[in-house]
Amino acid sequence: AQKITQTQPGMFVQEKEAVTLDCTYDTSDPSYGLFWYKQPSSGEMIFLIYQGSYDQQNATEGRYSLNFQKARKSANLVISASQLGDSAMYFCAMREGTNFGNEKLTFGTGTRLTIIP
Amino acid sequence: NAGVTQTPKFRILKIGQSMTLQCTQDMNHNYMYWYRQDPGMGLKLIYYSVGAGITDKGEVPNGYNVSRSTTEDFPLRLELAAPSQTSVYFCASSRLAGLAKNIQYFGAGTRLSVL
Repeated sequence: AQKITQTQPGMFVQEKEAVTLDCTYDTSDPSYGLFWYKQPSSGEMIFLIYQGSYDQQNATEGRYSLNFQKARKSANLVISASQLGDSAMYFCAMREGTNFGNEKLTFGTGTRLTIIP
Repeated sequence: NAGVTQTPKFRILKIGQSMTLQCTQDMNHNYMYWYRQDPGMGLKLIYYSVGAGITDKGEVPNGYNVSRSTTEDFPLRLELAAPSQTSVYFCASSRLAGLAKNIQYFGAGTRLSVL
């Protein structure tokens, strides 16, 4: 089974609208972290936002927020007031557990977001 | 702020050639990682290191070697390049480990083609 599933290969959104990028995950570990990264056409991976499994509140970072629904195992990224510069690939990733040495990030296949002027 | 620096940015290899992908970070991070990203896919972990002199295999280590002689540098070695190693390679580093919030910071990537 896929650990991280991103079901939207591509999305087109009008500029200034909000957009939600879906991410579901699969783990039996009670302690885990969820990450979103942005990859613009230039290729670098940019960290956007983090949500811990024990965090009581949904994470927010500027225009980015994470809609964390633990029972449904979903961690959707919400971008408010989208901008042309938001056009990029977006990856959801997970780290399971808190043991030293278990540092692997498992990535989804990504969603390509295109903002339309 | 240099962060994580990878060289070269692009490289074309012939089958059977060898090369080293360089990675250096100036954030004094203990943990460093190498990932590969195949077209249309997410990243997969090749090797990682928890500090100078300590390395361990990730999900897809075959065909690669690493070393970590200093905190700053974590080179990735391809000994006998194969077409299956055509990919984009990312180096990353992180400060905190053993915690779920282990934010990894990435370099700009090296695009490698093996022909």
